[in-house]
Amino acid sequence: GQSLEQPSEVTAVEGAIVQINCTYQTSGFYGLSWYQQHDGGAPTFLSYNALDGLEETGRFSSFLSRSDSYGYLLLQELQMKDSASYFCAVRNAGNMLTFGGGTRLMVKP
Amino acid sequence: NAGVTQTPKFQVLKTGQSMTLQCAQDMNHNSMYWYRQDPGMGLRLIYYSASEGTTDKGEVPNGYNVSRLNKREFSLRLESAAPSQTSVYFCASSLQGDQYFGPGTRLTVT
Repeated sequence: GQSLEQPSEVTAVEGAIVQINCTYQTSGFYGLSWYQQHDGGAPTFLSYNALDGLEETGRFSSFLSRSDSYGYLLLQELQMKDSASYFCAVRNAGNMLTFGGGTRLMVKP
Repeated sequence: NAGVTQTPKFQVLKTGQSMTLQCAQDMNHNSMYWYRQDPGMGLRLIYYSASEGTTDKGEVPNGYNVSRLNKREFSLRLESAAPSQTSVYFCASSLQGDQYFGPGTRLTVT
């Protein structure tokens, strides 16, 4: 089977940096994806890591350690609009995704 | 480009009724997917289609059927709706792995 663990909720203040961790147990691992979902909205793709290391896209960065079955999403210079749920997802063979339960990020002024 | 579109946006069914959720994408993607999302939870894969003419079961296929009508369209059918199928249904498509989601269908079964 496959399982992903991520914190259910994180709170941070505007302008701060927050890290959302994800650990996984899976077979046939191809990579780790991150998605953002605002309340009432659809998930939107943020990043994908197939190899170890850090990938940076603007204020967002994502990290993967395959040997530790661990990754994280780093959000810098937090803005109120970053308040949303963030999902890590393992990509398997056939481009299938298995999602974690999601982390609800609340950004406070 | 409209991306991934879904109809209807909202639907209320009585137990035992049937309906089909429609999904279409205009990005020329090969793969399409149907997920359900229950409150406060992640997405669970119902069915997927790796390419036109093929469909396969995902994690939670019971009570659903799908049709990949052509490369653009992938429909999800509930033959006899049950209250346990109350959920938000998302369709997604992908070309090389990154999945792009439609706006969702909010289904309530009473």
